[in-house]
Amino acid sequence: QKEVEQNSGPLSVPEGAIASLNCTYSDRVSQSFFWYRQYSGKSPELIMSIYSNGDKEDGRFTAQLNKASQYVSLLIRDSQPSDSATYLCARGHNQGGKLIFGQGTELSVKP
Amino acid sequence: DADVTQTPRNRITKTGKRIMLECSQTKGHDRMYWYRQDPGLGLRLIYYSFDVKDINKGEISDGYSVSRQAQAKFSLSLESAIPNQTALYFCATSDLGRGWPNEQFFGPGTRLTVL
Repeated sequence: QKEVEQNSGPLSVPEGAIASLNCTYSDRVSQSFFWYRQYSGKSPELIMSIYSNGDKEDGRFTAQLNKASQYVSLLIRDSQPSDSATYLCARGHNQGGKLIFGQGTELSVKP
Repeated sequence: DADVTQTPRNRITKTGKRIMLECSQTKGHDRMYWYRQDPGLGLRLIYYSFDVKDINKGEISDGYSVSRQAQAKFSLSLESAIPNQTALYFCATSDLGRGWPNEQFFGPGTRLTVL
């Protein structure tokens, strides 16, 4: 079992719709979770961090964490073509402050 | 100016050559990391460093070495490059934070091609 699993996609949504990206993880003791956005050939850019169960909202982005079910999700409201990118989910690993990354979900927002 | 910089941004080299990739940061972070990214394999950790005196291997350290010259500088070396080291390489930094892993901030990346 991979430590952090994401559907590779591509996930295609129409402009203005809600995009829902999901991530599951295997380590029950993880305390910190992150979503990064990566455009093709560019570096990962932090979108959201979440540490507590529940929802965390920032603009059009909402991260949801459920530690009991070991999943974290990212919702993007009013999706725009500029949101088309690969979204990486990561969890914190207690050793050395490392992050464990999923393979990413490719999102395509169609005009 | 960018907080995390990497040089060179692109490099083409031949099998057997020694290559050094450099990373500098102005964020004042203690922790620095080197990753490689390959299509379909995601980001994989090569080495990481807590501070100048603390270097640790990641999941794929074979064939690589690192040097932490200062808090702000962390270099990755390929002693004898081979074609399967062709990849996109990222440096990242983070601070000590809350006692559990904090967000990392990435440099722009170095695209390395080994012929």
